[in-house]
Amino acid sequence: GAGVSQSPSNKVTEKGKDVELRCDPISGHTALYWYRQSLGQGLEFLIYFQGNSAPDKSGLPSDRFSAERTGGSVSTLTIQRTQQEDSAVYLCASSPSLSNEKLFFGSGTQLSVL
Amino acid sequence: AQSVTQLDSQVPVFEEAPVELRCNYSSSVSVYLFWYVQYPNQGLQLLLKYLSGSTLVKGINGFEAEFNKSQTSFHLRKPSVHISDTAEYFCAVTVTSGTYKYIFGTGTRLKVLA
Repeated sequence: GAGVSQSPSNKVTEKGKDVELRCDPISGHTALYWYRQSLGQGLEFLIYFQGNSAPDKSGLPSDRFSAERTGGSVSTLTIQRTQQEDSAVYLCASSPSLSNEKLFFGSGTQLSVL
Repeated sequence: AQSVTQLDSQVPVFEEAPVELRCNYSSSVSVYLFWYVQYPNQGLQLLLKYLSGSTLVKGINGFEAEFNKSQTSFHLRKPSVHISDTAEYFCAVTVTSGTYKYIFGTGTRLKVLA
């Protein structure tokens, strides 16, 4: 596609359920990032990938959060046993490489945990 | 670890007036600096970046920023704003070696008034 695609655009779930968020980066982009955007909190770094490897996953808030990337392309962010504090916009970005190129952001997934 | 502080959460300014959005960073090593803009209902896009060389960096839509190493600042300026500049602006930093994660500030909401 022309840009970074994220699905679903909106997700409403009940507390305690697991959710999967998907990111399709721009074709050929080897670097992929996940961020969480909460009101008044800015963008919180979660994890980044180079290819299928995650050199830095220091931003994942707890062991309920995990992410993987397959085929150097699609990435999924999984949140297990969701809590109300997980409610936020989850943003994905990709970049041609890790060498300080600009990030291309998707439109995000709005997650609401009831 | 590096961090970014955007001191102003909201900045109202009249159309055709100048504006400065402040950004200060903290890092024990050399950094690269970025400004991203998020227009209403759109994804984040790169406005400008400082990697090396001239400390005055020009970006899209008439914006510019100046890297000041002694003051650890990277303030964004525009001499004359338009209604269409109404958006949220994020400052970001990454270090020049080691991890490639980008740390974002909490954002400044610029509202241009007619």
